[in-house]
Amino acid sequence: NAGVTQTPKFQVLKTGQSMTLQCAQDMNHEYMSWYRQDPGMGLRLIHYSVGAGITDQGEVPNGYNVSRSTTEDFPLRLLSAAPSQTSVYFCASSYSVRGDSTDTQYFGPGTRLTVL
Amino acid sequence: DAKTTQPPSMDCAEGRAANLPCNHSTISGNEYVYWYRQIHSQGPQYIIHGLKNNETNEMASLIITEDRKSSTLILPHATLRDTAVYYCIVRPRSGTASKLTFGTGTRLQVTL
Repeated sequence: NAGVTQTPKFQVLKTGQSMTLQCAQDMNHEYMSWYRQDPGMGLRLIHYSVGAGITDQGEVPNGYNVSRSTTEDFPLRLLSAAPSQTSVYFCASSYSVRGDSTDTQYFGPGTRLTVL
Repeated sequence: DAKTTQPPSMDCAEGRAANLPCNHSTISGNEYVYWYRQIHSQGPQYIIHGLKNNETNEMASLIITEDRKSSTLILPHATLRDTAVYYCIVRPRSGTASKLTFGTGTRLQVTL
């Protein structure tokens, strides 16, 4: 298994541009999520999905859209990039949405985004 | 979810045990204690979790106090590769989506 993969690894955008960060997992996980991590801080949840066709907002959803058309993919779209969105973005997935004791999350390697 | 408190940084000599404390005094009966770590520039990595009994796996041991208000993650023989930020997270056992709430963690520096 490749696990959780993210593309691109690095991206530079100009203010106002839009782009999509890709996330895919090959573990047949129900739950997928996006986090952002700013320098010196912990991860903050942006959006999450408990299965294909179902998404919900996390702690910091403004400026981002998500969709979940398949179990494997969970892209994150920046509608109109702003310098405040400069961050490292991590995608994660886990098998269970029930939050039971076997529910460990697997994280991708991250996408480093700079908005000028 | 219960809030956790961790020291911002710790040092440990290579080969010695690293003991990372976490305070979660408002934990409720249905909440687990999870530990993840993040090695520089990488995605977080799951280490271990527990409810009330002590747990051990190939990476670490987790000691939870009897009143469950605090816990300690133990890396028995720390190596330079264990240098990372360690996050203690408390989350419900069931009934909710698998959200993790990360604090700022403890930055462990393992030295020669």
